[in-house]
Amino acid sequence: GAGVSQSPSNKVTEKGKDVELRCDPISGHTALYWYRQSLGQGLEFLIYFQGNSAPDKSGLPSDRFSAERTGGSVSTLTIQRTQQEDSAVYLCASSSQGASSYNEQFFGPGTRLTVL
Amino acid sequence: KQEVTQIPAALSVPEGENLVLNCSFTDSAIYNLQWFRQDPGKGLTSLLLIQSSQREQTSGRLNASLDKSSGRSTLYIAASQPGDSATYLCAVKLDSNYQLIWGAGTKLIIKP
Repeated sequence: GAGVSQSPSNKVTEKGKDVELRCDPISGHTALYWYRQSLGQGLEFLIYFQGNSAPDKSGLPSDRFSAERTGGSVSTLTIQRTQQEDSAVYLCASSSQGASSYNEQFFGPGTRLTVL
Repeated sequence: KQEVTQIPAALSVPEGENLVLNCSFTDSAIYNLQWFRQDPGKGLTSLLLIQSSQREQTSGRLNASLDKSSGRSTLYIAASQPGDSATYLCAVKLDSNYQLIWGAGTKLIIKP
């Protein structure tokens, strides 16, 4: 079946503009994660959605970052008033939360964001 | 606070050699540990997942071991090939949390 997809694959924007990044998880996966990978650094957790529960936003670096998940499927990560330090690859992952799944996370190809 | 460390940061070996990548974590209370590979410009591919109750997992030429008590995991790659060149990341999932805590990765280059 189809894996996790993300769009756009690349986004170049000017400082101060807003951007939206999209993630389509694997069909049937109830859990969805957003991570950020800055150049030369490890992955940084941003936000987690599980079913209809309130999302865990503890990893969002500032109030300029927000995310929503509509209908328990597609998710959009929005960055307002982008700054140069927001430049990174934004990765989305999904997982099944069943007892036999071990919560293995499957990743999309990422969106490379460059803020000029 | 859980911290994950991967050593070495980079490794270059001739084709055909067996090699070991290391991952260490500071808190032994983990739910599972995953090894991923990341190719340039691409997303992450899950290689192996080891539950906290398991000692090792194998897939083809790959073998991952887990020693919770010492806070270590190794990824063994047998008979390395140029196609194995990638960055290898390990990540742990905590018992009391659901996010992954990541190492910075080992960049592996297999020379033909």
